[in-house]
Formats: sequence, structure tokens, C-alpha cells
Amino acid sequence: GQNIDQPTEMTATEGAIVQINCTYQTSGFNGLFWYQQHAGEAPTFLSYNVLDGLEEKGRFSSFLSRSKGYSYLLLKELQMKDSASYLCAVTGSNYQLIWGAGTKLIIKP
Amino acid sequence: IAGITQAPTSQILAAGRRMTLRCTQDMRHNAMYWYRQDLGLGLRLIHYSNTAGTTGKGEVPDGYSVSRANTDDFPLTLASAVPSQTSVYFCASSDSAGGPHEQFFGPGTRLTVL
Repeated sequence: GQNIDQPTEMTATEGAIVQINCTYQTSGFNGLFWYQQHAGEAPTFLSYNVLDGLEEKGRFSSFLSRSKGYSYLLLKELQMKDSASYLCAVTGSNYQLIWGAGTKLIIKP
Repeated sequence: IAGITQAPTSQILAAGRRMTLRCTQDMRHNAMYWYRQDLGLGLRLIHYSNTAGTTGKGEVPDGYSVSRANTDDFPLTLASAVPSQTSVYFCASSDSAGGPHEQFFGPGTRLTVL
């Protein structure tokens, strides 16, 4: 079967660093996305990885290991506005996205 | 302003009624999608369309139908609503299906079926 696992909830402190993990088992792999979703709003794109390694984009970085079926999203210098859910999604063999349930990140002052 | 719009924003519907959720994008994207989002579950694909004139079934298509008469519009119809269809519905579009093409989401429709 196809499965994507993320922690349900994480808490971090403003100014700190947090790593959100995602593990996946899918039939086929054509890339992994991270999206951010604030409460009551639509998801918005953060990053895309298709090759192994780290992709850095400002305060956010995303890592992929295809052999381990593993990715993480790293958020640095956390700000209160980073309080949101972070969704991991994998493009399977049919090119449709398979979504994890999301990780709710709570930032404390 | 380029983007993707959905209507209505929210709706309370009696069970057994027919309902169409509207979705329009002005980015000239080929691919469009309908998802539902329920608490504790990931986004689940209902139906998709890779290009105007074609549609396909996603993970949870039962009780829903779609059409794609043109590039811009992708309505989702519930023929006879049931309480289990209470959810937040998101429409999304992308330049093409698959690959590095991010999906852009509409603001969502919050639907309650009583």
C-alpha cells in the first residue's frame, strides 16, 4: 500500500530551529513536495525535491533520501508566523500527489 | 489578479440535495484537481483533469462527478449529498500533471451536510 507518515504535532520556540520528518512508501516516486497551510487557509507551496540531497530556500530547507524513503523540512530562525501545518506529499507512479496528514507546528515565544 | 477561485465559501446542505461547487482559474493551467480535507487525514484526491475535455477518478470519487468543458472551469457536483461528505473542499491547478509543477490551491469551500 501507499503511506506517508509525519508527526501529528510539534512545538518549538521562536528563534530556534525545527526539523519536520516525513517517511513514505509509495508505488513509484516522481518527487516530493512540502506545503505550508495556515489554519483556515489553503496550502501553499514550499519546496520540491526529486534528487537526493538538500535544497535550501531562505530560512527553509528540504532534504530527500530516496533509498530511505525519507525527507525532512528544516525551518531556521523560527518566527511566530511559521505556526502552521506542514504537509508532505509524494508524486507517485501515476503522477498524482499522495498527501501526508500534516504536522501542526506550534511556535512559542 | 491571477489565481484560482471557489464558490461558495461555505454551505450548509440538507442530505439528499444536489450541490455544485464551482472552481475557476485564470492561469491557463492544464491540470486541475478536487480534494477533500478532513481532520486528521491528508488531502484526498476526488477527481482530476489533466487537460480540458478529460477527467479521471482519484482516491475517493464515489458520490462526486466533475466536468471539464474548458480550461478555466472545473465544477464538482454532489448528486445526492450525504453527511459523510461534510468536509472542506479544495480545488487546485497546475501547469501540467506530475513533475516539478506545484499545485496552486483555491481558498476552499466548507461544506456541511445535515
